[in-house]
Amino acid sequence: DVKVTQSSRYLVKRTGEKVFLECVQDMDHENMFWYRQDPGLGLRLIYFSYDVKMKEKGDIPEGYSVSREKKERFSLILESASTNQTSMYLCASSLRAGGNEQFFGPGTRLTVL
Amino acid sequence: GQNIDQPTEMTATEGAIVQINCTYQTSGFNGLFWYQQHAGEAPTFLSYNVLDGLEEKGRFSSFLSRSKGYSYLLLKELQMKDSASYLCAVRDRAGGYNKLIFGAGTRLAVHP
Repeated sequence: DVKVTQSSRYLVKRTGEKVFLECVQDMDHENMFWYRQDPGLGLRLIYFSYDVKMKEKGDIPEGYSVSREKKERFSLILESASTNQTSMYLCASSLRAGGNEQFFGPGTRLTVL
Repeated sequence: GQNIDQPTEMTATEGAIVQINCTYQTSGFNGLFWYQQHAGEAPTFLSYNVLDGLEEKGRFSSFLSRSKGYSYLLLKELQMKDSASYLCAVRDRAGGYNKLIFGAGTRLAVHP
């Protein structure tokens, strides 16, 4: 059974803190993605990675960075959290760049105070 | 630019049929997906269309017209458990990579 896991379901941080969100997939997928989901805006792509140590900016990369040191793990980093980064963060993976289906993790609801 | 539109909310009766529409404008269209997302849960894949026409999968069907930039998801024999958000997503190949661009989602409420 395919599985994407995220390190936390709920997270509360303070403005200015460095925040790490971890995502692990056990499907040997090449591609991994980080989205944020906000009411009325849908899912927006922050960063994606199509291979180990490779990363590409999505539509809203400002204020975020990523790390992919191993194929199964994709980390999202908020260098200095701000209140406008309060959101639901979803990680996803797919088999290859043209892969038909993205599998999503359960999401991390991050609140920045 | 890139734009995906779908209704914000819909309601329907158990046992009925509902059609959720999605219109899109993208520069490098390379397929259209529908996902289902229950409240507080991850989106799960429902259907994929890359060619014009209807794809049927049990109670769910999805239609695509590339010339019109239009798709719909058809849900038959509605059940209470179908109450969820339905996300339309276009795979776009602008910039050399395939990315999914999501609509804001349609929240469907099924009532008895």
